[in-house]
Amino acid sequence: DAGVIQSPRHEVTEMGQEVTLRCKPISGHNSLFWYRQTMMRGLELLIYFNNNVPIDDSGMPEDRFSAKMPNASFSTLKIQPSEPRDSAVYFCASTPGGGVRSGANVLTFGAGSRLTVL
Amino acid sequence: AQSVTQLGSHVSVSEGALVLLRCNYSSSVPPYLFWYVQYPNQGLQLLLKYTTGATLVKGINGFEAEFKKSETSFHLTKPSAHMSDAAEYFCAVSDLPSSASKIIFGSGTRLSIRP
Repeated sequence: DAGVIQSPRHEVTEMGQEVTLRCKPISGHNSLFWYRQTMMRGLELLIYFNNNVPIDDSGMPEDRFSAKMPNASFSTLKIQPSEPRDSAVYFCASTPGGGVRSGANVLTFGAGSRLTVL
Repeated sequence: AQSVTQLGSHVSVSEGALVLLRCNYSSSVPPYLFWYVQYPNQGLQLLLKYTTGATLVKGINGFEAEFKKSETSFHLTKPSAHMSDAAEYFCAVSDLPSSASKIIFGSGTRLSIRP
């Protein structure tokens, strides 16, 4: 398996522009998580999905952020309009189904998307 | 709600010395605990996990952690540090054993190794 695939790896944009980050989870994994990492705030959980349904979006900073998971193999995180304070590394991660002995809540991370908003 | 506190944002040890990275958790239910490692410009990778049963958990690269319920701790140790251990380490907690569980991370501890 190729692992969790994120694109783009790097994005530089100007304030006010729309940004779309993409994620392909590991095939067969039931849950997908979006995290944001910054020096100041560490690793923050933004939103997570189970079986394509959003379970908890309480970490989404504000209405400028939205996430979708139209099917089991694809998710997007959109920022519109973007602001300089959104600059961060955004990670997508997925977990498999099954019980704890099968590692149901063990995250596999993508390599991240580094976003810079000027 | 669960939370994780990692004491010390930066730890520096000499090569060959003991590594001790501290993690305390808060959870209203029996927790599932994890340590992840992040190398520069990479995503996080699982080091080890505690689910149920034995409280001393062994992971990859010689690391281990002990779950102490009375102290609400899950500290990570390695008897002898190697230069390749230099990375950022994150403790995490989950309240459910299923894939639908919310997983919360601590703020991370950067480990530096002195030659």
